[in-house]
Amino acid sequence: EVQLVESGGGLVQPGGSLRLSCAASGFTFTRYWMSWVRQAPGKGLEWVANIKQDGSEKYYVDSVKGRFTASRDNAKNSLYLQMNSLRVEDTAVYYCARIYDVWGGYYRDYWGQGTLVTVSS
Amino acid sequence: DIQMTQSPSSVCASVGDRVTITCRASQGISSWLAWYQQKPGKAPKLLIYAASNLQSGVPSRFSGYGSGTDFTLTISSLQPEDIATYYCQRGNSFPPGLTFGGGTKVEIK
Repeated sequence: EVQLVESGGGLVQPGGSLRLSCAASGFTFTRYWMSWVRQAPGKGLEWVANIKQDGSEKYYVDSVKGRFTASRDNAKNSLYLQMNSLRVEDTAVYYCARIYDVWGGYYRDYWGQGTLVTVSS
Repeated sequence: DIQMTQSPSSVCASVGDRVTITCRASQGISSWLAWYQQKPGKAPKLLIYAASNLQSGVPSRFSGYGSGTDFTLTISSLQPEDIATYYCQRGNSFPPGLTFGGGTKVEIK
């Protein structure tokens, strides 16, 4: 059974840092792109970062470029999101998701339960 | 970047009604579109990929249609457990990102 379990969320002051983790199991982690997606309270879904199977390519939404860094440890089947210089507007539930490619298209077929990040003074 | 626009933003219907949600891409994306269901307090769940293919375990009352710029998600007979927000997501031009539509909230009358 595919499982993605996030951890590391919490309350942090503006300008602070936080590191999120996502533990993957039930599939061959090295075969998949992975993704971070967030959802601000009462808002829609926003992709945050995507990372290639070997970690050699990483892409970020403009609003987090230079502040967030995605990484992965394939030996530990784990995905990470280092978040620095946090802003109030980064407050959201953060999900990790597996990216599944089929027939040339890319879709997020498994999601974790999410971890809440609250940025507030 | 390709923008995804959903309509309506919310829909209220009765149990047993047919409900249709629309997603429009700002430029053609062939059939590279997914639909997700998100129930309150839960993670999103993939319902349909490649515009019309049902993910394993998804009830057959859900169906998807479309190609190019215009897509629809239809619930043929709305059930109480279908109360959720539905999102489309383009599946092409990756990397860098895979953007979502703004969501459509489905409620029961």
